[in-house]
Amino acid sequence: DADVTQTPRNRITKTGKRIMLECSQTKGHDRMYWYRQDPGLGLRLIYYSFDVKDINKGEISDGYSVSRQAQAKFSLSLESAIPNQTALYFCATSDPSTGNYGYTFGSGTRLTVV
Amino acid sequence: AQRVTQPEKLLSVFKGAPVELKCNYSYSGSPELFWYVQYSRQRLQLLLRHISRESIKGFTADLNKGETSFHLKKPFAQEEDSAMYYCALSGYSGAGSYQLTFGKGTKLSVIP
Repeated sequence: DADVTQTPRNRITKTGKRIMLECSQTKGHDRMYWYRQDPGLGLRLIYYSFDVKDINKGEISDGYSVSRQAQAKFSLSLESAIPNQTALYFCATSDPSTGNYGYTFGSGTRLTVV
Repeated sequence: AQRVTQPEKLLSVFKGAPVELKCNYSYSGSPELFWYVQYSRQRLQLLLRHISRESIKGFTADLNKGETSFHLKKPFAQEEDSAMYYCALSGYSGAGSYQLTFGKGTKLSVIP
């Protein structure tokens, strides 16, 4: 079941273009995250949001922006895409109030910037 | 600051052999530790939480606070275990928030 849905699944874009990656969740979690995954570097946090009015920069936020449109939606934008932003992007959610600090991940968006 | 180290990028074992994926962490408080698995072209899935002390797909992991380790073990590797494995630590990062920090991952390849 797709508790966390990311669109698109794959995208090829040109250098300098603006692109938005979308994430929606049906888990009712307040906390949402964007990570990028690169071979040999693991997952690195880009931005995170603990509720609709809360946005925080992660480890590698330069060149990215986010929008938390609703509890269920958290979008990641690349204002002017560059080739080194080619990566697999994951959205995740969590709800520590349950006592479980683990995350639920989406299926990922594979982005290629040419 | 919290840190997770997975010293092996790639681990190859024969089918039926024991598997140990290493994970060491650095954190000043009491951490919550996880193992996530990512099969080819799929999303990350939670494999184990140290708090639950359960065994999933034959894998176990014990938190060793003295050695600050949380190694993942399985006595007999299966081909379907081939995947990318990430160790992760949830620690307090200030202002009432907890964050999950990932290691760089170990790719397990089980040779038939």
